[in-house]
This record gives sequence, structure tokens and C-alpha cells, in this order.
Amino acid sequence: EDKVVQSPLSLVVHEGDTVTLNCSYEVTNFRSLLWYKQEKKAPTFLFMLTSSGIEKKSGRLSSILDKKELFSILNITATQTGDSAVYLCAAQAISYDKVIFGPGTSLSVIP
Amino acid sequence: NAGVTQTPKFQVLKTGQSMTLQCAQDMNHNSMYWYRQDPGMGLRLIYYSASEGTTDKGEVPNGYNVSRLNKREFSLRLESAAPSQTSVYFCASARYTEAFFGQGTRLTVV
Repeated sequence: EDKVVQSPLSLVVHEGDTVTLNCSYEVTNFRSLLWYKQEKKAPTFLFMLTSSGIEKKSGRLSSILDKKELFSILNITATQTGDSAVYLCAAQAISYDKVIFGPGTSLSVIP
Repeated sequence: NAGVTQTPKFQVLKTGQSMTLQCAQDMNHNSMYWYRQDPGMGLRLIYYSASEGTTDKGEVPNGYNVSRLNKREFSLRLESAAPSQTSVYFCASARYTEAFFGQGTRLTVV
């Protein structure tokens, strides 16, 4: 059965800390790994990863995929209170007919 | 650019009532999805539709039905609402890129 697991489920850090969020997946005919940030409303897209070992960066956020070990990490450096959110990881099948989400990591950044 | 539009945004139902959540996308996407989100559970897939005319069950389909009316529209129906269906519902669509989400429907069943 397809599944996506994230860890930790919740995390509290101080501003300026660096955090690493983990995502592992088992999805038939895997194509890509997606990261989303969810604050109060709908998830907003962060990254799509399709190739192993190639880091994607956007400001203080970066992510990498390991297709051999079936996991991905999302790093956030120099965290700010605005980074407080739930970070969702999802695995997309090659036929685009399934996008399976993990439970999310709830990140709280305190001043 | 409307993207994915969901209606209604909020709804309160009594146990046993029925209702349909509407979703439409204007991005010419083939795939559409319905998720529910409960605290600590992430997004759980209820049903998905890989293309017009096809629908498939996801992780938590019980108590729901769907219709892919055309390429743009994918509706979710609760025939007899139960308190366990109190949740936030998200519709999403995708083609060759990431999934795009509607703004969600907060449903309360009392």
C-alpha cells in the first residue's frame, strides 16, 4: 500500500535555528516528491523533486531527494517566526493519478 | 487566473443530511482529487479522477461519492452526513506538475 511518512510530527525551535524535516515514501511507480507549506488555509507549493541528489533551493529553504533510499529532507536555515506552519510532503505517481500526502510536520518558531 | 475553485467555504449539516461540494479548475488538468484534513492526520485522499469519465477510491472513500462531470469539474457528495465527516475538505488538480489546491471547505456535522 502506498504511504508517506514524515518526522518529526511536531517541532519547536527558536528563531535563527536550522531545522531538518524528514520524509520517506513507498509509492508504486514513483515519479516525484512534493513539498508544501500550509499555514491557515490551502497548502502552497514549495518544491518538486524528481532526480536524486540534486538540491533545490529557494531562499533559506532547500530540499533534496534520495530515490535509492526513498526519502527526502527539507532544510530551513536561520528560521523566522513566519516559517511557523505545517510542512507537508507528498509522493506523486508516474501516471499523475495519485498524490499521496504524509501527516505533516508542525513547525513552531518562537522568538 | 482562478485556479481551483471550491464551494461552499463553510457548511454546517445535521446528521443524516446530504450535500455536494463543488470543485472546478480552469487549468486544463487531467487529474483531480478530493482530500480531507483532520488535526494531526495530514491530507487523506478520499477519491481521485485521473481523467474525465474515470474515478477511483483513495484511502478513505467510505461515506462519499464523486462525479467527474467534465474535465473542469469534480464534485464530492455526502449522501448521509455523519459527525465523523466533520473536517476540512480540499479539492486539487494536477497535470504534469505539482497539485494545485482550492481554498478548502470547512464542514461541520452536528
